[in-house]
Amino acid sequence: GENVEQHPSTLSVQEGDSAVIKCTYSDSASNYFPWYKQELGKRPQLIIDIRSNVGEKKDQRIAVTLNKTAKHFSLHITETQPEDSAVYFCAANSGGSNYKLTFGKGTLLTVNP
Amino acid sequence: DAGVTQSPTHLIKTRGQQVTLRCSPKSGHDTVSWYQQALGQGPQFIFQYYEEEERQRGNFPDRFSGHQFPNYSSELNVNALLLGDSALYLCASSWGGRAEKLFFGSGTQLSVL
Repeated sequence: GENVEQHPSTLSVQEGDSAVIKCTYSDSASNYFPWYKQELGKRPQLIIDIRSNVGEKKDQRIAVTLNKTAKHFSLHITETQPEDSAVYFCAANSGGSNYKLTFGKGTLLTVNP
Repeated sequence: DAGVTQSPTHLIKTRGQQVTLRCSPKSGHDTVSWYQQALGQGPQFIFQYYEEEERQRGNFPDRFSGHQFPNYSSELNVNALLLGDSALYLCASSWGGRAEKLFFGSGTQLSVL
């Protein structure tokens, strides 16, 4: 089955700096890659997603890049703010059937004022 | 729009007991997926319900079962509870049987003593 590895597990940055979180996946048939943000005690919220026919997608300060050949994708957050502090999860669908997402173990991002 | 509603929010059970968790999907969604999130981990897929049928199951034993009703709401049942079943159970809704743009509920925190 699909396996998603996520790095780093923790990331601490100064306010205004950029943050990058990287994920790799194993199923070459996967074609949908979302990113979720989960604040402490709250539900995971979709912040951005990308399909395999697109190499990059941006939404304000957030961008995701996808390298299908290397089977990895990354989340980039620019001009970080304290409210960006949360756990971020990457995920990939199972290419053979689009019924499930496999999640990485998460990255705890701390933005220091 | 109330989003995804889950009940109860917290539950304490003892080993061997049975539990039923409930989920109402976001308005306009017809697909419900259940995920288990252990402390410090990413959500792990349990199963998905679409058109009142279980379409795919993750690596969970038969003690975990579910149901979807005609109004698209869903239940997750866990029998013969084990200590290891203690986790946050997340319901996510989507549209058209696809695991895309999942909208998560706030979850049910289950503690097994």
